[in-house]
Amino acid sequence: DSGVTQTPKHLITATGQRVTLRCSPRSGDLSVYWYQQSLDQGLQFLIQYYNGEERAKGNILERFSAQQFPDLHSELNLSSLELGDSALYFCASSAGLARTDTQYFGPGTRLTVL
Amino acid sequence: AQKITQTQPGMFVQEKEAVTLDCTYDTSDQSYGLFWYKQPSSGEMIFLIYQGSYDEQNATEGRYSLNFQKARKSANLVISASQLGDSAMYFCAMRVNTNAGKSTFGDGTTLTVKP
Repeated sequence: DSGVTQTPKHLITATGQRVTLRCSPRSGDLSVYWYQQSLDQGLQFLIQYYNGEERAKGNILERFSAQQFPDLHSELNLSSLELGDSALYFCASSAGLARTDTQYFGPGTRLTVL
Repeated sequence: AQKITQTQPGMFVQEKEAVTLDCTYDTSDQSYGLFWYKQPSSGEMIFLIYQGSYDEQNATEGRYSLNFQKARKSANLVISASQLGDSAMYFCAMRVNTNAGKSTFGDGTTLTVKP
């Protein structure tokens, strides 16, 4: 158990809908990262937050947005969902901003868009 | 831009033997870190080992060691005394100092340990 929690574990929805994925980092970790894992794209970094502020951005679509709240939990919002958004979405956390900081991954949320 | 290449889509190893999973990387940054993760069939990502670009010694963590050859830009994972529970997908990843938040992952290698 990495100490990172994600809810829900599974999510099934329809095209055009909007969903919210939630992540609670390990106790004491200030950085939260979101990743998307799909068969065709592999594991892609989406976005990083540190202590409530966006710090790094990857291949995140404009239809996707995220935020980190004062209690350090984070939410990833996916809107106008398409079939291709079906994937495993991981949240990870680390202590700070250094490249040496180990990222601990949550169990993931499997999103299926029908 | 950073790139990670894992050329072995699948590997087989006999139980109790050692196996090497290949990883080559490309970056123009001088300061970077290399990570290996394990993803069992259950789906979670488990951190295994880290190597910094300025580390002079190869990293080791229990049965895992990293064969770091900077000039060749390779960071191969060596698993000694393989166990059935080592069967999983293994990912090599990189983070650079100039963009430390972003991890770049390879496509992964599926390792199967045979009894």
